[in-house]
Amino acid sequence: KQEVTQIPAALSVPEGENLVLNCSFTDSAIYNLQWFRQDPGKGLTSLLLIQSSQREQTSGRLNASLDKSSGRSTLYIAASQPGDSATYLCAASRDNAGNMLTFGGGTRLMVKP
Amino acid sequence: DAGVTQSPTHLIKTRGQQVTLRCSPKSGHDTVSWYQQALGQGPQFIFQYYEEEERQRGNFPDRFSGHQFPNYSSELNVNALLLGDSALYLCASSWGRNQPQHFGDGTRLSIL
Repeated sequence: KQEVTQIPAALSVPEGENLVLNCSFTDSAIYNLQWFRQDPGKGLTSLLLIQSSQREQTSGRLNASLDKSSGRSTLYIAASQPGDSATYLCAASRDNAGNMLTFGGGTRLMVKP
Repeated sequence: DAGVTQSPTHLIKTRGQQVTLRCSPKSGHDTVSWYQQALGQGPQFIFQYYEEEERQRGNFPDRFSGHQFPNYSSELNVNALLLGDSALYLCASSWGRNQPQHFGDGTRLSIL
């Protein structure tokens, strides 16, 4: 059974700081790994999707990496802004399991002006 | 192009009642998945529908059931509501297998 863990559970940083969010998973037989953003009371917005054959994906100030062998993914946010404040969730999709996602508990990020 | 839409936005029920939540997938999507997100936790997979059939199911009791219609929209039904069913229920749609999922804003269900 896949288990996904995110550390830290909460993070507070000053504006402009570069930061890294961590995601670990127990079963390396994943098809892809997604990072989502969730604003309070809202649904999930997909940020980046990394296929199992890829090592990283980049979108603007965001960079996500994937290391299947160690069961880890990281989301790097450069030059953080107050608008980045939200909960960030990672989710693993297992091969041959359609697109059922197993989520971590999330990291609640606060970027202070 | 409308994204995933869910209704209602909020719902209040009492223990023992039954509830139906609705989801319209993003245009062009044929697969609908439902997730339950308790406060402060990550979403948990309930089930997935494709071609009007339940294709996969997570670890949820039979009180949770669903349906997909020919137009790909979907309903989630929960019977004999418990206090622990209070959560944000998220619908996600995608096209085909192993494609990125697009999420709606969810239905906030509160059980009194």
